[in-house]
Amino acid sequence: DGGITQSPKYLFRKEGQNVTLSCEQNLNHDAMYWYRQDPGQGLRLIYYSQIVNDFQKGDIAEGYSVSREKKESFPLTVTSAQKNPTAFYLCASSKRTGGQSEAFFGQGTRLTVV
Amino acid sequence: DQQVKQNSPSLSVQEGRISILNCDYTNSMFDYFLWYKKYPAEGPTFLISISSIKDKNEDGRFTVFLNKSAKHLSLHIVPSQPGDSAVYFCAASAHGSARQLTFGSGTQLTVLP
Repeated sequence: DGGITQSPKYLFRKEGQNVTLSCEQNLNHDAMYWYRQDPGQGLRLIYYSQIVNDFQKGDIAEGYSVSREKKESFPLTVTSAQKNPTAFYLCASSKRTGGQSEAFFGQGTRLTVV
Repeated sequence: DQQVKQNSPSLSVQEGRISILNCDYTNSMFDYFLWYKKYPAEGPTFLISISSIKDKNEDGRFTVFLNKSAKHLSLHIVPSQPGDSAVYFCAASAHGSARQLTFGSGTQLTVLP
């Protein structure tokens, strides 16, 4: 089955620790995105990538880092510099970066700082 | 600065009736609009989209209307079913961009049996 897989589903982090959230897609999509959702809010863009070895900051990139070494994978690292990391993180991918196409989402990772 | 706004945080509708969810946008560069449905602790699921060259798109019980002059779109669900109860997000993307989506804050739809 084609889709986007995020892992883990739940993640607990101690203050001061870096954590990496995994996102893998087998849809052969070029573009991949990371969003963050907070209670009562919409999804806000953290980082996006249109092609392997290239990525751009979204609206709330501070305290986060990404890599895109393979087309299928777009991991997100939440660093200790992120002041309020507790949130629901969503990874998405879409077929084309220039044309109009919908984005498909993974099931999300709930990150909690303890 | 919210470029996509959903001003109704919640909506309750009787089963079988029409649900109308509204969305406004401010960025005139947006040319593609989407609606997503989301359950708690899950990723959003794509429902329906519309290009700015159209004013209506229909898919089964779901119809999206776009009024470009008013920078307004709406999602109609007819007839509404209890399984439609979820949070609905409006999203938009702009031409000339990487097609990253800008989301509204969502509307919680509750369909009452």
